[in-house]
Amino acid sequence: EVQLVESGGGLIQPGGSLRLSCVASGFSVSSNYMTWVRQPPGKGLEWVSIIYSGGTTYYTDSVKGRFTISRYISQNTLFLQMNSLRADDTAVYYCARVDPNYFYYMDVWGKGTTVTVSS
Amino acid sequence: QSVLTQPPSVSGAPGQRVTISCTGSSSNIGANYDVHWYQQLPGTAPKVLIFGDTNRPSGVPDRFSGSKSGTSAALAITGLQAEDEAHYYCQSYDSGLSASVFGGGTKLTVL
Repeated sequence: EVQLVESGGGLIQPGGSLRLSCVASGFSVSSNYMTWVRQPPGKGLEWVSIIYSGGTTYYTDSVKGRFTISRYISQNTLFLQMNSLRADDTAVYYCARVDPNYFYYMDVWGKGTTVTVSS
Repeated sequence: QSVLTQPPSVSGAPGQRVTISCTGSSSNIGANYDVHWYQQLPGTAPKVLIFGDTNRPSGVPDRFSGSKSGTSAALAITGLQAEDEAHYYCQSYDSGLSASVFGGGTKLTVL
């Protein structure tokens, strides 16, 4: 079964760091485009970052220089390293697989992990 | 302010037809980037309804359909059912931002 399971969320103080993980099953993270999307409480979806199968990465402007997307092939896991966290980073973070045949089409989603940035 | 504009809410009675619009610009929908639609039930992850403007994944009822023209796209739902009550989001890519973009979301209420 194709599945994504996120973990690593929690309560963190402003300025702190957190690393989110997303374990994939049923397909290879390294052979696919993978992305992170977040949703602040009571608000809409916001794209965060993407890593192409070749390793190229892109970020939304608000997280550039603070967040890093990466993958660990042997564990079939996607990561999001989040540094210098701010209150407006508070959100549910979803990882998703991107179908390369349709631009940024996210065909498989995890259930999400919640990040709360607060003192 | 979202790059893609959706109405905050729409409503319809069971059995009726509703449409949800998604208005963009020449750097996203108007540049012919794919438009995708997602349904999000409360407390759950988004689920894809339409990809590549008009395609339905297997398992999605044909009551859901997508269209695109110029700088706008639309999701149509026919034969409205109570379980269709959810938030709906359109998504595309914006070349000016070099980023994927979502609409602000539309809350569908089944009366």
